[in-house]
Amino acid sequence: GAVVSQHPSRVICKSGTSVKIECRSLDFQATTMFWYRQFPKQSLMLMATSNEGSKATYEQGVEKDKFLINHASLTLSTLTVTSAHPEDSSFYICSARVGTRETQYFGPGTRLLVL
Amino acid sequence: AQSVTQLGSHVSVSEGALVLLRCNYSSSVPPYLFWYVQYPNQGLQLLLKYTSAATLVKGINGFEAEFKKSETSFHLTKPSAHMSDAAEYFCAVSGGDDKIIFGKGTRLHILP
Repeated sequence: GAVVSQHPSRVICKSGTSVKIECRSLDFQATTMFWYRQFPKQSLMLMATSNEGSKATYEQGVEKDKFLINHASLTLSTLTVTSAHPEDSSFYICSARVGTRETQYFGPGTRLLVL
Repeated sequence: AQSVTQLGSHVSVSEGALVLLRCNYSSSVPPYLFWYVQYPNQGLQLLLKYTSAATLVKGINGFEAEFKKSETSFHLTKPSAHMSDAAEYFCAVSGGDDKIIFGKGTRLHILP
């Protein structure tokens, strides 16, 4: 149980285009989903927290207009990187959680490369 | 506020030897503590977690960790390293604001 999927696993796009990444909890309903960004050989940096049906809460320094998060249901959250630039290239990981302070279950990650 | 410090960005042990990965935390509230493992180009997998019950926590793959409040530590151990244990390990803390704060990670190398 507690499986989280991400799609796509890898995406290459041209600078200026938008990319959507999906995060799904497959066998449980997630009250909260999180989006992280991980640079090579570094730790995970929390970008935003999203609760189903409400606006996402972004961490300081994360541009909400650039990284659009939609949490339309208890099993799906999407991250859209708008007008992507090469500096947005990174490994994006989502996680899902049931309840407060409970374990977060992580997706396999999405590797984004912006040319 | 919460923070995590992992001592040693790289640790090398011989196959069959004891694995010890160090983690110290800071938290203004009773913490929840986690150890996650990450294999290359993959997401994070939970090894074990401490949530204020038993101080010695057993996880998957033979790993365990002991919560020591007096030392603000949550070190990860495994009695006998296996080649498949080579990966990146993250210690993490969750406090009253429900966010998980990750350490910088420790890459574990297993020597044949």
